[in-house]
Amino acid sequence: QVQLVESGGGLVKPGGSLRLSCAASGFTFSDYYMSWIRQAPGKGLEWLSYISGSGDVVYYGDSVKGRCAISRDNAEKSLYLQLNSLTAEDTAVYYCARAAVPGVGASLYWGQGALVTVSS
Amino acid sequence: DIVMTQSPDSLAVSLGERATINCKSSQSVFYTSNNKSYLAWYQQKPGQPPKLLFYWASTRESGVPDRFSGSGSGTDFTLTISSLQAEDVAVYYCQQYFRTPYTFGQGTNLEIK
Repeated sequence: QVQLVESGGGLVKPGGSLRLSCAASGFTFSDYYMSWIRQAPGKGLEWLSYISGSGDVVYYGDSVKGRCAISRDNAEKSLYLQLNSLTAEDTAVYYCARAAVPGVGASLYWGQGALVTVSS
Repeated sequence: DIVMTQSPDSLAVSLGERATINCKSSQSVFYTSNNKSYLAWYQQKPGQPPKLLFYWASTRESGVPDRFSGSGSGTDFTLTISSLQAEDVAVYYCQQYFRTPYTFGQGTNLEIK
């Protein structure tokens, strides 16, 4: 069955950087766009970024554009999100997600999330 | 960006009664070439990731009880629970995937009255 497992969260000082990983299994990873979505404590969902199956198409939301990089390693079936210049507003649970079908679309499969806390 | 606005923010409904959540997009999310509205509904319970309920506005995801229904087109959408069960207590989100960024509504907190 499809599984997505995030890792790499933790406590980071303001101005610091973090790299999140998402290990995928149970499907042909390279066939699917993958997304990162985050949720600040007690708040709603914010879609951040996606990457195409081949990695040649990426998109970033305004809140992370310029300080964020999404990437993937299809051989390792892994998705990554590099976050730089972190502020307290980046404190959130970060989810990786996969659409129901190849291509973009609604997110059917979600990981359990990785908590990132930005604090001094 | 397409702004998604849900109403109400919070809703309390008696067990067995109907619950209705609305979602309005700031521009149409209907794609004329395939006659589909690029609108999804999710349910999120505390401590869990969101669960996809509907995509294309009204296509129920496998395993979702049929007391849940999704409707609407263009800019106005509705999620209806025909007979509220205790396990339906959750926050519900709509999301458009018509144009990046794929924005979510602010969420509707559904409780038991």
